[in-house]
Amino acid sequence: DAGVIQSPRHEVTEMGQEVTLRCKPISGHDYLFWYRQTMMRGLELLIYFNNNVPIDDSGMPEDRFSAKMPNASFSTLKIQPSEPRDSAVYFCASSSWTGYDQPQHFGDGTRLSIL
Amino acid sequence: DAKTTQPNSMESNEEEPVHLPCNHSTISGTDYIHWYRQLPSQGPEYVIHGLTSNVNNRMASLAIAEDRKSSTLILHRATLRDAAVYYCILSPGGGADGLTFGKGTHLIIQP
Repeated sequence: DAGVIQSPRHEVTEMGQEVTLRCKPISGHDYLFWYRQTMMRGLELLIYFNNNVPIDDSGMPEDRFSAKMPNASFSTLKIQPSEPRDSAVYFCASSSWTGYDQPQHFGDGTRLSIL
Repeated sequence: DAKTTQPNSMESNEEEPVHLPCNHSTISGTDYIHWYRQLPSQGPEYVIHGLTSNVNNRMASLAIAEDRKSSTLILHRATLRDAAVYYCILSPGGGADGLTFGKGTHLIIQP
């Protein structure tokens, strides 16, 4: 079975540019999560969706960050304008809720470097 | 959110059992105990979870204290591929809630 697919795997861009990260969750999963990992702050939740609707975006650091889920098989995380401090590894995860606690499945991440 | 406390690092020998402790004295009655691990350059990977009873799966065992204020992840026979950062996480609805990761335990396996 295909896992969570993220693209691109690596992104290097200059400060001020728009960055778009993409995620395809596991088919049939109704929860989608975006996390960010840095050396300083570790792994932190940015936002999550249930049935394509944002549920909790309290972890989104600033208005420069936005996330969308136009359908059940695709989500984007956009940073505009990007800054060097946004450099991190961004992970997408998905899960399903079947009345019994289910684990989250993570993608391999996008390593983002803002110069 | 209820917090967990784990040792920063642990070292073990290949083919020996490994016991990874986690303290969670402020756990609430509805919190599940989840364990994830992260291998180098990969996303976190689910290992096991439980509520009150001990749990076993193909990867590991989870031993939960009777008062639920601590738990231990047990790798029965460590291999070099088990070298990773192991995270102990409390969540009322793990799959349906955002996970709060701490610093975890960096497990080093010696050949």
